[in-house]
Amino acid sequence: IQLTQSPSSLSASVGDRVTITCRASQGISSYLAWYQQKPGKAPKVLIYGASTLQSGVPLRFSGSGSGTDFTLTITSLQPEDFATYFCQHLNGYPYTFGQGTKLEIK
Amino acid sequence: QVQLVQSGAEVKKPGASVKVSCKASGYTFSNKYIHWVRQAPGQGLEWMGIINPSVGASTYAQTFQGRVTLTSDTSTSTVYMELSSLKSEDTAVYFCATYNWKSYFEYWGQGSLVTVSS
Repeated sequence: IQLTQSPSSLSASVGDRVTITCRASQGISSYLAWYQQKPGKAPKVLIYGASTLQSGVPLRFSGSGSGTDFTLTITSLQPEDFATYFCQHLNGYPYTFGQGTKLEIK
Repeated sequence: QVQLVQSGAEVKKPGASVKVSCKASGYTFSNKYIHWVRQAPGQGLEWMGIINPSVGASTYAQTFQGRVTLTSDTSTSTVYMELSSLKSEDTAVYFCATYNWKSYFEYWGQGSLVTVSS
């Protein structure tokens, strides 16, 4: 199963709302997770089951979708949100990742 | 608290093998499957394989079949990833991560940089 993320990079300002999409090459039900990664650090889970917010993750993060099309939305961007975001499917091995979306400050 | 502590950076020559360790603490070792993921410099995340630490059963990504071996030592709560026949393209940071049954990678090690260079 291939995951295609878009855009690959994105410039935005503090306070903006941004949406990142992830499309699967075949249906994966809701077996999709979103991760945030900062330079030199391990990824951190934000969303699992396509739309369930991980404990401790701010409410400005949300996920939606099922089947083949998924979105990660961040409302009211904060300075600490500028990072790279990856989607990952967990609907059978191999658990592939999207290629990533680098979110940069405009 | 759950922690995964990985071994340090390694420099290897092409053709050699490397063995990276991932020591778990803060939970019952046999209760969580562990996955390995790698990230080449400036690149995305690549899933390598999974091990059930309690029985040592593993599944590998096709890309690494025949070159990667995952093992576990329940006496020390440590999982190992060995990659053989190293190439320059294997230069990457290698991560271990625990699997949560709600389908996501929950806890991650800090990463181990493996550099393959002649």
